[in-house]
Amino acid sequence: DTGVSQNPRHKITKRGQNVTFRCDPISEHNRLYWYRQTLGQGPEFLTYFQNEAQLEKSRLLSDRFSAERPKGSFSTLEIQRTEQGDSAMYLCASSAARGGRADTQYFGPGTRLTVL
Amino acid sequence: SQKIEQNSEALNIQEGKTATLTCNYTNYSPAYLQWYRQDPGRGPVFLLLIRENEKEKRKERLKVTFDTTLKQSLFHITASQPADSATYLCALVYTGGFKTIFGAGTRLFVKA
Repeated sequence: DTGVSQNPRHKITKRGQNVTFRCDPISEHNRLYWYRQTLGQGPEFLTYFQNEAQLEKSRLLSDRFSAERPKGSFSTLEIQRTEQGDSAMYLCASSAARGGRADTQYFGPGTRLTVL
Repeated sequence: SQKIEQNSEALNIQEGKTATLTCNYTNYSPAYLQWYRQDPGRGPVFLLLIRENEKEKRKERLKVTFDTTLKQSLFHITASQPADSATYLCALVYTGGFKTIFGAGTRLFVKA
């Protein structure tokens, strides 16, 4: 069990550029979450996948954000036309809960995005 | 909309004492509530989960209580150690949903 991994760990980009982050969950975990965290705040839910299906997406997420989990394993989060307000830590978490069972999430180390 | 409040000010305590952190929520009760620990620059780490029909849960030096009347959870660390210094996050999940709502966290400092 290697844990949840995220790449890259740090990303610096210029405003208006597109960025893509990758998350590799713990193998065989069927649930995958993306969060955004800014300094002094808790993680803010962005979206949730169960296997390859995206079942929930935050209303806070603008159309510039898109996430995929094509084969139900790794996931990517893309931000198009980045803005300075997108600067944050982007966290991925996975869990193995089945059905309606309570969910213990395992978090990755995060990708820190800085938009100049 | 659901709202979670945690002590915004840092909690400073002496080694060996019990740390008590508070999590208050508004609106209807969640299906379950979780506590996570987060160290600077790292992702949160799960500590304890308590369901709406449970009053108390323990794990080693940790204890969580859940009062659905007061809409409050208390998180206790007994015999605290400097290594317990971190930010502690409260998180709620509501019945029928997948979305986990986190509080802003409380920073704990344990002084040797």
